[in-house]
Amino acid sequence: EPEVTQTPSHQVTQMGQEVILRCVPISNHLYFYWYRQILGQKVEFLVSFYNNEISEKSEIFDDQFSVERPDGSNFTLKIRSTKLEDSAMYFCASPGQEKPLNTEAFFGQGTRLTVV
Amino acid sequence: DAKTTQPTSMDCAEGRAANLPCNHSTISGNEYVYWYRQIHSQGPQYIIHGLKNNETNEMASLIITEDRKSSTLILPHATLRDTAVYYCIVSLGPSYGGSQGNLIFGKGTKLSVKP
Repeated sequence: EPEVTQTPSHQVTQMGQEVILRCVPISNHLYFYWYRQILGQKVEFLVSFYNNEISEKSEIFDDQFSVERPDGSNFTLKIRSTKLEDSAMYFCASPGQEKPLNTEAFFGQGTRLTVV
Repeated sequence: DAKTTQPTSMDCAEGRAANLPCNHSTISGNEYVYWYRQIHSQGPQYIIHGLKNNETNEMASLIITEDRKSSTLILPHATLRDTAVYYCIVSLGPSYGGSQGNLIFGKGTKLSVKP
């Protein structure tokens, strides 16, 4: 199965601090996605990113969130000023193909963010 | 995207087939049925998808009714490692002008495989 790698696996941060979550998607794929899952709740879509631009985002993805591609293979999700309610598992995902024809996606193992 | 309905939980004996149902009565003609699972806080794992025909891969089989209003995911020989929450999702997909990557996860079915 294609591999999507996320770092760190767990991050603890003080409320109000900025955090950066990192993802290495499937090689050569230009699309990637971010999801989050608050403990005990559903997996929720945050944003789709294609070729250095946001292609779709949810209501959750407000101004405190941003996504970037700092280099050719890494993608990041930045939360500018974390709040307690941002505590969640954050997953990135790659589609099954370079130019996806459907919504098959491969997820990373997630970063557990704890805001204290 | 159409809404799906799944039982909250199911049990299955190890080695037996696990049949997980999903209702999607409002599915439209170009919407695919996808199945994912999530093993205890790990990332969701893609299992299988289909449009009209039944599908089989190394993990599971997907049976879609002729009217496409429901489907069943079959794990032919369930093992303890198949204990997970299973999600049935219907999605138009980008090739039909639908969402790119926006999978709408419900609460899924918690499958417990027992020895």
